[in-house]
Amino acid sequence: QKEVEQNSGPLSVPEGAIASLNCTYSDRGSQSFFWYRQYSGKSPELIMSIYSNGDKEDGRFTAQLNKASQYVSLLIRDSQPSDSATYLCAVNIPDSNYQLIWGAGTKLIIKP
Amino acid sequence: SQTIHQWPATLVQPVGSPLSLECTVEGTSNPNLYWYRQAAGRGLQLLFYSVGIGQISSEVPQNLSASRPQDWQFILSSKKLLLSDSGFYLCAWSYEREDTQYFGPGTRLTVL
Repeated sequence: QKEVEQNSGPLSVPEGAIASLNCTYSDRGSQSFFWYRQYSGKSPELIMSIYSNGDKEDGRFTAQLNKASQYVSLLIRDSQPSDSATYLCAVNIPDSNYQLIWGAGTKLIIKP
Repeated sequence: SQTIHQWPATLVQPVGSPLSLECTVEGTSNPNLYWYRQAAGRGLQLLFYSVGIGQISSEVPQNLSASRPQDWQFILSSKKLLLSDSGFYLCAWSYEREDTQYFGPGTRLTVL
């Protein structure tokens, strides 16, 4: 069964520090990887997508992908209280008409 | 630019009553469309997806159904709601032949 695993948290990080969020996936054929942020009571919003091994940076966010280890992570530098949210990892299901499989999310709390 | 709408935003319905939730997408043609449900504190459960008008695939056997009468319109229905149908219903879209998904604002359904 295809799975995406995330630590549910909560992960508590001091303001200004680096928050590190991790995700593992089971299907070696997956090629597309996504991080979404979901504030309480709101819908998920896309933060980043990554398709190749290595790092991809966008502002304070860096996504890291290691297909050999089936591992994807999200780093948030200079964490702000506004970063407090649940972060969802999603991975494509190969040959599935563009479906994604979702992790349950990690709740991140940034302490001022 | 593309815009996705969902309504209503919140809904309280008695057990056994019918349901109709609507989702519309503007600014793109032939999008892939998805219905998800998110129970409190849980991840996203894919209910239905559609790659074109009249083409609906169901992921979870249940008392819900979906229809796509127009390219830009996706409707989630039920003839008789159950208590277990309570949750946050999210509609999402992606470009044709792509897997990055973008979410609408969601409908919070409470079945009493």
